[in-house]
Amino acid sequence: SYELTQPPSVSVSPGQTATITCSGDKLGHKYACWYQQKPGQSPVLVIYKDSERPSGIPERFSGSNSGNTATLTISGTQATDEAHYYCQTWDSSLVVFGGGTKLTVL
Amino acid sequence: QVQLVESGGGVVQPGRSLRLSCAASGFTFSTYGMHWVRQAPGKGLEWVAVIWYDGDNKYYGDSVKGRFIISRDNSKNMMYLQMNSLTAEDTAVYFCARDYDIFNGYYWLDYWGQGTRVTVSS
Repeated sequence: SYELTQPPSVSVSPGQTATITCSGDKLGHKYACWYQQKPGQSPVLVIYKDSERPSGIPERFSGSNSGNTATLTISGTQATDEAHYYCQTWDSSLVVFGGGTKLTVL
Repeated sequence: QVQLVESGGGVVQPGRSLRLSCAASGFTFSTYGMHWVRQAPGKGLEWVAVIWYDGDNKYYGDSVKGRFIISRDNSKNMMYLQMNSLTAEDTAVYFCARDYDIFNGYYWLDYWGQGTRVTVSS
């Protein structure tokens, strides 16, 4: 079955750029999306179709996908961006989530 | 506005069954695919199942295939998850979520409910 791999944790200073990666075999040939989940809350879609932002998602969130890696970039990271982030794709109609990355803003 | 409300969670003994429900409102339910996703305590997201807008296509994650059944009633704007032969490993918060664009074969989840908690314990 298809697998996505994320780093367990990423740290960033306020105002700096956070980069979260998601790796999978030929992931660039698929579409990737990203969810943000804060403690006790439901996930929120922040990036879909590799790099599209849903309405209401700040412009500081961006995404890319090439080769074997999809990347979520948060520019000018704010304290409110501290959360878990999950990448997701699908393979033969089966949805696959990455293991999640805890983003710490310190 | 789009609203998804799960219900039916609770404490159930191993080997027993439970049915979850998801009530949808604020959009044309019959034109959207729908998913169940679960999250075990302190763990990440795990996809459970998807059902297409017309109910004709259903797909399941490996860990639930053969035990869980996803269904929907478009006349009632409801989706269901029948969970059979439950084990402790099924303990999780279960979310229902709407698919953004299943017509084009895209699987990303643009709206999520608040979740319902299922605990499998004797």
